[in-house]
Amino acid sequence: GQGVEQPDNLMSVEGTFARVNCTYSTSGFNGLSWYQQREGHAPVFLSYVVLDGLKDSGHFSTFLSRSNGYSYLLLTELQIKDSASYLCAVRDQNNYAQGLTFGLGTRVSVFP
Amino acid sequence: EAAVTQSPRNKVAVTGGKVTLSCNQTNNHNNMYWYRQDTGHGLRLIHYSYGAGSTEKGDIPDGYKASRPSQENFSLILELATPSQTSVYFCASGRDRGGTEVFFGKGTRLTVV
Repeated sequence: GQGVEQPDNLMSVEGTFARVNCTYSTSGFNGLSWYQQREGHAPVFLSYVVLDGLKDSGHFSTFLSRSNGYSYLLLTELQIKDSASYLCAVRDQNNYAQGLTFGLGTRVSVFP
Repeated sequence: EAAVTQSPRNKVAVTGGKVTLSCNQTNNHNNMYWYRQDTGHGLRLIHYSYGAGSTEKGDIPDGYKASRPSQENFSLILELATPSQTSVYFCASGRDRGGTEVFFGKGTRLTVV
């Protein structure tokens, strides 16, 4: 089977950082994407990773460990406007045509 | 800029009625998707398409049909709407068939009463 798990909520303080975790199980992992979704809006693509390690994209960085079925999205120098849900989505090579399987998302709340 | 446009943005339908949700993309992407998003379930794939004339079943296709008459347009059809189909529906397009980067429309909030 295939599953994508994320914590429901995460709170942090403006100017600090937040790490959003994602664990997945899939029969044929072929990449993982992160999306940001603000309340009442559509998901917006942030990052895609397929190789192990840390991918630094400035305000957003992503880490992947394929052997552990684990990824995280790191948001640094948090701003209030970073408050949103962050969705992890996995691509399965055995179910390639269907695209992505999404987790439920982690709601990140940034406080002053 | 890449754009996926959905219409209507809001819809109230009666049980048993027919509902058509429309989606237009100017990305020239071959692949298009229809998702629904519900609290506790996240985004779930209903139907998808590889290109004009093709439609495929996703994870939860029951009660829905899809139509892809052209590269740009992809419709979702509820022939007999039920209250359980009350949800927010998102259309999306992607260049890569596996969905490396997918562009979403703003969503349609459908309420079936």
